[in-house]
Amino acid sequence: AQKITQTQPGMFVQEKEAVTLDCTYDTSDQSYGLFWYKQPSSGEMIFLIYQGSYDEQNATEGRYSLNFQKARKSANLVISASQLGDSAMYFCAMREPYNQGGKLIFGQGTELSVKP
Amino acid sequence: DVKVTQSSRYLVKRTGEKVFLECVQDMDHENMFWYRQDPGLGLRLIYFSYDVKMKEKGDIPEGYSVSREKKERFSLILESASTNQTSMYLCASRIGGQGALGMNTEAFFGQGTRLTVV
Repeated sequence: AQKITQTQPGMFVQEKEAVTLDCTYDTSDQSYGLFWYKQPSSGEMIFLIYQGSYDEQNATEGRYSLNFQKARKSANLVISASQLGDSAMYFCAMREPYNQGGKLIFGQGTELSVKP
Repeated sequence: DVKVTQSSRYLVKRTGEKVFLECVQDMDHENMFWYRQDPGLGLRLIYFSYDVKMKEKGDIPEGYSVSREKKERFSLILESASTNQTSMYLCASRIGGQGALGMNTEAFFGQGTRLTVV
């Protein structure tokens, strides 16, 4: 069965510094997708970035990049130049292959606090 | 813009009551999900539907059932609410099926329903 693990319950980072949020996954499938979501205190879930299992290059979206290491089954989120508004919960998620239904499962989350 | 709407933001129910949580999406998405979110446990999948009248159990289906009679609506039912079902419930939808192959098919979430069972 697929599994997503986020081992950092909480992280602190100084404003303007970079931070890496860890995510490892477990799957025997070759085709899958990896996602990161942000959940501020308001509770909404905001999509940040996506990496397909066959994508050869690491995904980037503005200040967000995904450090995808397929052999190690890790998909860490890197936030560059942290801002106070980045303080939130961050969730890593994995989509199983579509021919198996395309179920989406999440990790436990990491709470990021950005210090001024 | 994709919109996923959950019928209530806050709900208080009594133990033993039958509870319905409704979710409606307006983008003709095939896939719909119900999660519960608890501190330290992240989002745990309760049920998943990949098409009308099709459903699949997630990781924690016990005590819950679902209904998907129309494509846009996915209902979560607590047959007999218990205090351990006090939680935040999140509904999500996403493009599915063959049309989604190879696509970045992010899931779109509702605003959540905070359910308290007393």
